[in-house]
Formats: sequence, structure tokens, C-alpha cells
Amino acid sequence: AQSVAQPEDQVNVAEGNPLTVKCTYSVSGNPYLFWYVQYPNRGLQFLLKYITGDNLVKGSYGFEAEFNKSQTSFHLKKPSALVSDSALYFCAVRDPGRGNTPLVFGKGTRLSVIA
Amino acid sequence: GAGVSQSPSNKVTEKGKDVELRCDPISGHTALYWYRQSLGQGLEFLIYFQGNSAPDKSGLPSDRFSAERTGGSVSTLTIQRTQQEDSAVYLCASSLWENTEAFFGQGTRLTVV
Repeated sequence: AQSVAQPEDQVNVAEGNPLTVKCTYSVSGNPYLFWYVQYPNRGLQFLLKYITGDNLVKGSYGFEAEFNKSQTSFHLKKPSALVSDSALYFCAVRDPGRGNTPLVFGKGTRLSVIA
Repeated sequence: GAGVSQSPSNKVTEKGKDVELRCDPISGHTALYWYRQSLGQGLEFLIYFQGNSAPDKSGLPSDRFSAERTGGSVSTLTIQRTQQEDSAVYLCASSLWENTEAFFGQGTRLTVV
């Protein structure tokens, strides 16, 4: 069955420094991968996705993620963190090779950007 | 509306009562999902509807939970004989196709007292 892991419950980074939020996945074939962000008392917002093509995908708010098939990873990155990036981040995966399957989410990583 | 709409936004119910949560997906979206999120925690998959296919009910935690999607549009999640552990935010999402992003509603915060 498809699954996704976010190994860090919490990531702390200083404002202006680069940030990375880690995500690894497990599927039987080629995955569809997504990142979402949840700000306090707000709904989940889509950031970016990888379906096919270039391994480096760019998304909203200056975020990007790199698909690495050999390491089964899809880490979220940003070159320079802002305090306003502080939020809960979720990685999600779907295995399109298994027909109609749901979008499965990781447990989330809380990012705290310190001024 | 432009987005996924869920109602009610908040629901307080007594233990043992039944509740119905409603989701209006974005028009034309073929896929609809229900998730549950406990306070500050991850998203627990509940059920997934894709077009006219049989729904994937593998995430429903017990037979007290059920969901329908009528006419390929509106969905209702029903929880019978609610328990305190059912207290959570119930999130609905829809997507156009399986390779497109899902858009989430604001959720229904359910509190069982």
C-alpha cells in the first residue's frame, strides 16, 4: 500500500536561512506527489506537485521540491525562510498504478521560523 | 461557489447522537475525499469517491461511519451513535482528476460532549 513519511515532527530555522522539510514515500510504481501547508486556524492550501517531467518543481510562495526516485524522496525547500512561513506542512502521495486510490498524507511537520 | 464548502462549520453534539456533515465540492470535480484531523495532528483518510466507481471505504474507523455522494456532487458523512473520540475536524476535499491537486474545505469541527 502507498505510504508517506515525514520523519521530523518539528523543524526550526532562523529567518533568512534555507529550509528543508523532508518527505519520503513508498508506492509500487511512479508516484504523484504533493505538498500542502496549513496555517493556524486555516484550511489546507496546495503548494506544489510532481506528476512527471522535471524532478525540480516550483510552487507557491517561493517553495520548491525535488523528486528523487532513487531515494524515494520529495523534500520541500526554500532558499530563504520567512517568519510567515511558520505553519504545518503535509506531504501527500498517490499511486496511480493501482487504479483509483486515495491521496495519502504524512503526519505533518511543524515549521517554526525564528526572527 | 468557487471553493469546497462544508457545513456546518462547528457542531457540538451529545454522546450517542447521530450527526451529518455536508460537503459541496467544486463543480465538475470527479474526486471527493473525507479526512479527519485531530488537534494539530495529521490527516487521517476516511473515504474516497472517484467518478462512478465504488468508493474506497478503507479508512472508515468503524461501522458507525458512512458516507454518500449523490449525483456525483454533494457528499454527506454520517456518524451514528457518536463517541467522544469522534471529536475532530472533518475535512472534505475535491480534485478534478487524480493527477491534479485537491482543494480543501475549511472543515467541520465536531465536538462530542
